[in-house]
Amino acid sequence: EAQVTQNPRYLITVTGKKLTVTCSQNMNHEYMSWYRQDPGLGLRQIYYSMNVEVTDKGDVPEGYKVSRKEKRNFPLILESPSPNQTSLYFCASSLLYSRDGGYNEQFFGPGTRLTVL
Amino acid sequence: DAKTTQPTSMDCAEGRAANLPCNHSTISGNEYVYWYRQIHSQGPQYIIHGLKNNETNEMASLIITEDRKSSTLILPHATLRDTAVYYCIVRVGWAGGFKTIFGAGTRLFVKA
Repeated sequence: EAQVTQNPRYLITVTGKKLTVTCSQNMNHEYMSWYRQDPGLGLRQIYYSMNVEVTDKGDVPEGYKVSRKEKRNFPLILESPSPNQTSLYFCASSLLYSRDGGYNEQFFGPGTRLTVL
Repeated sequence: DAKTTQPTSMDCAEGRAANLPCNHSTISGNEYVYWYRQIHSQGPQYIIHGLKNNETNEMASLIITEDRKSSTLILPHATLRDTAVYYCIVRVGWAGGFKTIFGAGTRLFVKA
């Protein structure tokens, strides 16, 4: 089954304790992205990657790191989490190029609910 | 990318058409209109996209005005399972980069 998986789905941690949220897709997609969703603010893009070893900042990259060493995986790293990073996180992937020059539909993972105390 | 404006919420009776408007008055010639929806706290789901022409797929229809300053997503026969937040996004195609900006969306309530 074609899917985007995220782990863990739920995480409660404390301020300053480094954590990694994993994201994996089995669709051979070039493009992957991380979003956070907060009440009243909608979905905001954190980082995205257009292919292996190619990453770029979204609108809210502060406090996050990413890496893209393999095409299928795009982990999100919080080196020193703070309470303001408590949020619902989504990973997404898509093909890079579409026939009509548009941008391909993104497939989203189930989300990771993170609480930083 | 152009900014979009959507109503905060809308109601629709089950079995009737749901028409969700989106204003994008600053859209430029190479920007596409995309629609996604999010049910509860699940990951968003792609619905449809278009550039100039109206589009239809198995989920919905997209009507874009001739001046492209607004569009309407139509769910022809809304069901209770269509209750969700619907996001309208405008952005350039892949040649313009891959930043994605979701707005606040429209919360659609389908009522029995």
